[in-house]
Amino acid sequence: DAGVIQSPRHEVTEMGQEVTLRCKPISGHDYLFWYRQTMMRGLELLIYFNNNVPIDDSGMPEDRFSAKMPNASFSTLKIQPSEPRDSAVYFCASSYREGTGELFFGEGSRLTVL
Amino acid sequence: AQKVTQAQTEISVVEKEDVTLDCVYETRDTTYYLFWYKQPPSGELVFLIRRNSFDEQNEISGRYSWNFQKSTSSFNFTITASQVVDSAVYFCALKTNAGKSTFGDGTTLTVKP
Repeated sequence: DAGVIQSPRHEVTEMGQEVTLRCKPISGHDYLFWYRQTMMRGLELLIYFNNNVPIDDSGMPEDRFSAKMPNASFSTLKIQPSEPRDSAVYFCASSYREGTGELFFGEGSRLTVL
Repeated sequence: AQKVTQAQTEISVVEKEDVTLDCVYETRDTTYYLFWYKQPPSGELVFLIRRNSFDEQNEISGRYSWNFQKSTSSFNFTITASQVVDSAVYFCALKTNAGKSTFGDGTTLTVKP
């Protein structure tokens, strides 16, 4: 089975532009997580979904960030408008056992906002 | 509140040396799960091991071994006879039934030939 698939792998954009990151979880996994990784803050959980429903979005930094999961095989993380401090690697991960399960990570989307 | 501390920011060893990566955790939950992940230079995070709070048995997998001690809230990771390919950032993580994983800041391991 394919792993977690993220796109784009790299994105360079200018401040103020809208950015959309995409994720396809592993089939059968009913939990999906969005993480952000930076040197300063390490790995931060932004939001996670269970059965397509957002469960905890307390890690979403600001209203500029939004995430959706319209179906079990697709999720998006949107930043509008983007700012230079949003530059980071964004990881999507899925899991099939919320409390116990290990995370299966995608390769990440490296975002650079100029 | 949950917390994971990886006090070693960077470790450098020479190939074939043994190396231990430390992980100390804090949680008030009695049921929890501990993990180690590896992030090689390619960037992807790879799951290595999961332990639950009721199983303190140590585990060995090839050159990797894990020592879980509830008494000291530690879950340490040892690589025996390290190899250059072991060079990576290693993360310890804690998850409770609340679902969130709390990650440590990671330990960067460099294995020199």
